[in-house]
Amino acid sequence: DARVTQTPRHKVTEMGQEVTMRCQPILGHNTVFWYRQTMMQGLELLAYFRNRAPLDDSGMPKDRFSAEMPDATLATLKIQPSEPRDSAVYFCASGLGQGGDTQYFGPGTRLTVL
Amino acid sequence: SQKIEQNSEALNIQEGKTATLTCNYTNYSPAYLQWYRQDPGRGPVFLLLIRENEKEKRKERLKVTFDTTLKQSLFHITASQPADSATYLCALDPTGTASKLTFGTGTRLQVTL
Repeated sequence: DARVTQTPRHKVTEMGQEVTMRCQPILGHNTVFWYRQTMMQGLELLAYFRNRAPLDDSGMPKDRFSAEMPDATLATLKIQPSEPRDSAVYFCASGLGQGGDTQYFGPGTRLTVL
Repeated sequence: SQKIEQNSEALNIQEGKTATLTCNYTNYSPAYLQWYRQDPGRGPVFLLLIRENEKEKRKERLKVTFDTTLKQSLFHITASQPADSATYLCALDPTGTASKLTFGTGTRLQVTL
C-alpha cells in the first residue's frame, strides 16, 4: 500500500531556529505539494513541484521558507528562522498531475515554535 | 475575490440518517471539484471527484452533486454511521490536473448512535 511519508511527525523548536521537514512521495508520482494547515486559515498551498522542478511557490513566505526536491524520492521544506506564527501542521502530498487525478497526503508534521 | 465556503459549524446527525454537506464557491470556474475526508491527526483522504459537465457522482453510500450555475456542490452520506464522523473538505481544481487545488475550511460531521 503506497503512502506518502513525512518526518518528523512532531517538532517543537524555539523561535529563530531552523526547521527542516522531509517528505517521501509515492513512487512514480511526479508532482509534490506542500501545504500548511491552521485552524484559522485551513489548508493552504505553499508550493508544488513537477518532475522535481518548482512550478509555484507563491503561497510561501520567501524570506524564510524554502522548498526543494534534491531527488525524486525526497522533498524538503525548510524554515529559517522560525517564528511562533509558523506553528501549524505541514502536509506533503503527491500525485500524477494528470486530468482527473487526486492528491495523496502524508500524515503531516506538527510544528510548534515557542 | 475567490472564495470557498463550507459550513464551519459542526453537523450533528443520528446514525442511519443522511448527512448533507455544502460547498459554495464564488469567482471560480473549476474544471473539477473534489471531496476529501480528514480524521484528527491525519492528512486528508480523497473520496470523490466530479467534473464540471457532470451533475452527480456516486460511490457506495456517498453522492456528490455539482451545480455550476449555483456554484455549489452537495456531498451526501446515506445511512450514516459513527465511523463517518470526520471533517469533510471540498477542493476546487481549476485546470483538471489536480495541480493547484484550493480547499475549503471543512465541515465537521458527528454521527451519533
